[in-house]
Amino acid sequence: AQSVTQLGSHVSVSEGALVLLRCNYSSSVPPYLFWYVQYPNQGLQLLLKYTSAATLVKGINGFEAEFKKSETSFHLTKPSAHMSDAAEYFCAATGTASKLTFGTGTRLQVTL
Amino acid sequence: EAGVTQSPTHLIKTRGQQVTLRCSPISGHTSVYWYQQALGLGLQFLLWYDEGEERNRGNFPPRFSGRQFPNYSSELNVNALELEDSALYLCASSFSNEQFFGPGTRLTVL
Repeated sequence: AQSVTQLGSHVSVSEGALVLLRCNYSSSVPPYLFWYVQYPNQGLQLLLKYTSAATLVKGINGFEAEFKKSETSFHLTKPSAHMSDAAEYFCAATGTASKLTFGTGTRLQVTL
Repeated sequence: EAGVTQSPTHLIKTRGQQVTLRCSPISGHTSVYWYQQALGLGLQFLLWYDEGEERNRGNFPPRFSGRQFPNYSSELNVNALELEDSALYLCASSFSNEQFFGPGTRLTVL
């Protein structure tokens, strides 16, 4: 069975600092991987996705993620945090069953 | 292009009641997924419909059911509501391995 692990349920960074949200997946076959963002009382918005093309994936709002097969990781980064980035972030994977398996989420706090 | 829509936005029910949630996918998408986001339990896959058929089901009791209509819209039905069914229910439609989410329906069971 596929699983997704997000290290750190809560991450706090200063405005302008690097954002690093960690995600590891467990799968015998590299799945499709996604990062979603959820703002309070809203649904999920896709930030970026990996579908076995380029290993470095660029998304919206300045986010990017790198797929590392050797580490089974898909960490999300942003060079400079903005106050508007404060939200909950979910890493997810999908395999042959098409359903998304989500990590437990990381709440990003951005401080002045 | 209109996104995934869900209705109602909020719902309050009491234990033992039944509820129906509705979802309209993005035009041209034939797959609809339902997820439950309950406090402390994260996002859990509920159901997947494609071309009117149930294709996959998550680890939920049979009182969670649904259907997909010929226009690809979908309903999620929950019978005999329990307190722990209180959650945000998210619907997503799919194109090319990417799922697009609606705003969700917040269900509160008292």
